[in-house]
Amino acid sequence: GENVEQHPSTLSVQEGDSAVIKCTYSDSASNYFPWYKQELGKRPQLIIDIRSNVGEKKDQRIAVTLNKTAKHFSLHITETQPEDSAVYFCAAAILTGGGNKLTFGTGTQLKVEL
Amino acid sequence: NAGVTQTPKFRVLKTGQSMTLLCAQDMNHEYMYWYRQDPGMGLRLIHYSVGEGTTAKGEVPDGYNVSRLKKQNFLLGLESAAPSQTSVYFCASSYQPGRPYNEQFFGPGTRLTVL
Repeated sequence: GENVEQHPSTLSVQEGDSAVIKCTYSDSASNYFPWYKQELGKRPQLIIDIRSNVGEKKDQRIAVTLNKTAKHFSLHITETQPEDSAVYFCAAAILTGGGNKLTFGTGTQLKVEL
Repeated sequence: NAGVTQTPKFRVLKTGQSMTLLCAQDMNHEYMYWYRQDPGMGLRLIHYSVGEGTTAKGEVPDGYNVSRLKKQNFLLGLESAAPSQTSVYFCASSYQPGRPYNEQFFGPGTRLTVL
């Protein structure tokens, strides 16, 4: 089955700096890559996703890049703010109509310091 | 529009006891999922369903059973709870036929402790 590895496990940045979180996946058939943000004690919420027919997607301060050949994708957060502090999870899935099951990475604890 | 709701929010069980977690969604989603979240291990899929009356095993199904008798509800059962099942359980749902979105919407979670 699919295996998703995520690095780093913790990341501390100064407010206003950029943050980058990287993930690799094992199944070349995976074609959907979402990123979820989970604040302490809350539910995971989708912040951005990308399909395999696109190399990059941006939404304001958040961007995701995908390298299908290398089987890795990354989350980029620019101009970080204290409210960006949370745990971020990457995931991968094969969209086939058979449930779109997500395999998650182990998460990155991002701390944005003032 | 409540989205995805879970009952109960917290529960403490003794080893060997049984319980059922209820998940409900009002978004007319076809797919529903149960995950467990443990420190340092991310979210792992327990069971999932692609429609009313169907269920399938995920990554970590042992010790759990599920049922989807109604499209809007997905039940997770623990027949004989073990301390290893202490975790936070999240339900999620996704996919409306004819719509392109694949986002999984999560419930608020159930924190289960097995003593």
